[in-house]
Amino acid sequence: GEDVEQSLFLSVREGDSSVINCTYTDSSSTYLYWYKQEPGAGLQLLTYIFSNMDMKQDQRLTVLLNKKDKHLSLRIADTQTGDSAIYFCAERGRQAGTALIFGKGTTLSVSS
Amino acid sequence: KAGVTQTPRYLIKTRGQQVTLSCSPISGHRSVSWYQQTPGQGLQFLFEYFSETQRNKGNFPGRFSGRQFSNSRSEMNVSTLELGDSALYLCASSSTPGTGSGELFFGEGSRLTVL
Repeated sequence: GEDVEQSLFLSVREGDSSVINCTYTDSSSTYLYWYKQEPGAGLQLLTYIFSNMDMKQDQRLTVLLNKKDKHLSLRIADTQTGDSAIYFCAERGRQAGTALIFGKGTTLSVSS
Repeated sequence: KAGVTQTPRYLIKTRGQQVTLSCSPISGHRSVSWYQQTPGQGLQFLFEYFSETQRNKGNFPGRFSGRQFSNSRSEMNVSTLELGDSALYLCASSSTPGTGSGELFFGEGSRLTVL
């Protein structure tokens, strides 16, 4: 079945780059998304990438997609303390219909 | 443009009771999805509604139900509450399913505690 996996924790220092990784299993995935969740809040869409692309850049965010290995990453440049949150990778695969399949989330901790 | 609005934000119920949660999507969005978020299971899809019709349903028991009204507002209901139903219930809206990038825009959630 479909599955999305992420590492659970990442700790970086302010000003460094953060790289959050994600693997997925549904090769028919059309779009892949990154969401951010701050404590007590809902999910905020950060960016998404279409499956026929291998890179997308949006200000401090860079998404890399390796479709062959079913690997997705989110790079945050010049990480700030305000970036501390849980980051979720999600896929929209053909098998799930219109539902998104989410990973368990990566908790990013940024220290000053 | 207002975002997705969920009410109530917090509620406490006891086992055996029922609960109804409400969601108003972004203006112009006609699709509403519901997700359950728990520490153990993460984010799990409950169901999706479009034009008052349920388009897709996740793997939850029949105690979980929903509906959508003609103005696209949606409600979900959980009957005979169990302790394990304690969770953050998130509503998300999107424009027309199957078109464009299909991204979901989430509300702040309704946090349900079952005692």
